[in-house]
Amino acid sequence: GAVVSQHPSWVICKSGTSVKIECRSLDFQATTMFWYRQFPKQSLMLMATSNEGSKATYEQGVEKDKFLINHASLTLSTLTVTSAHPEDSSFYICRAGTGGRLNTEAFFGQGTRLTVV
Amino acid sequence: AQSVTQLDSHVSVSEGTPVLLRCNYSSSYSPSLFWYVQHPNKGLQLLLKYTSAATLVKGINGFEAEFKKSETSFHLTKPSAHMSDAAEYFCVVSLPLLGGNTPLVFGKGTRLSVIA
Repeated sequence: GAVVSQHPSWVICKSGTSVKIECRSLDFQATTMFWYRQFPKQSLMLMATSNEGSKATYEQGVEKDKFLINHASLTLSTLTVTSAHPEDSSFYICRAGTGGRLNTEAFFGQGTRLTVV
Repeated sequence: AQSVTQLDSHVSVSEGTPVLLRCNYSSSYSPSLFWYVQHPNKGLQLLLKYTSAATLVKGINGFEAEFKKSETSFHLTKPSAHMSDAAEYFCVVSLPLLGGNTPLVFGKGTRLSVIA
């Protein structure tokens, strides 16, 4: 199956700093990237959807200026948490979509555990 | 609109006994349905998927699920639980017929505990 690599797997940062999370599709072209957030013992909540070369579409309630998403190429998308606060601590997971019927296959990254202290 | 309801937030079984994790869905179109497993602080692993082919779907690690349109259900089962099955399980729905890159809708998850 297709491989999606997410990096880093965990990160600890100080309040006020920014953190960048990378999501790479290693053996296919990801026309769309989805970014999810998961709070402890809860389900995944879609944050935003980005298409290569276009601006991301954010879900209601997600601050686009705080969670910057870049999808400049068909194999790389990044999520930057700007001016992080402790309440941003969460598990972030990316998912790469290939388009068409293949989109029914969902290729997830391994996730990033962010802790803001 | 699509939605997924996982009927149990927590299921506890003894090792070697059957597992049943329940999932009901709501969709205006013929959906694709998935079950994913997530171990603590790990990403998601696909167990199995239904995409309008056979209604009984066999997945990895001995899991299987049956798509029942009349009951709008997609319950996950395993004949004999193993300690390593203890994890969080998510039922997920998507819409294949629209094509493109449609987002997935996740259930709230069911935590499976396996008792020795």
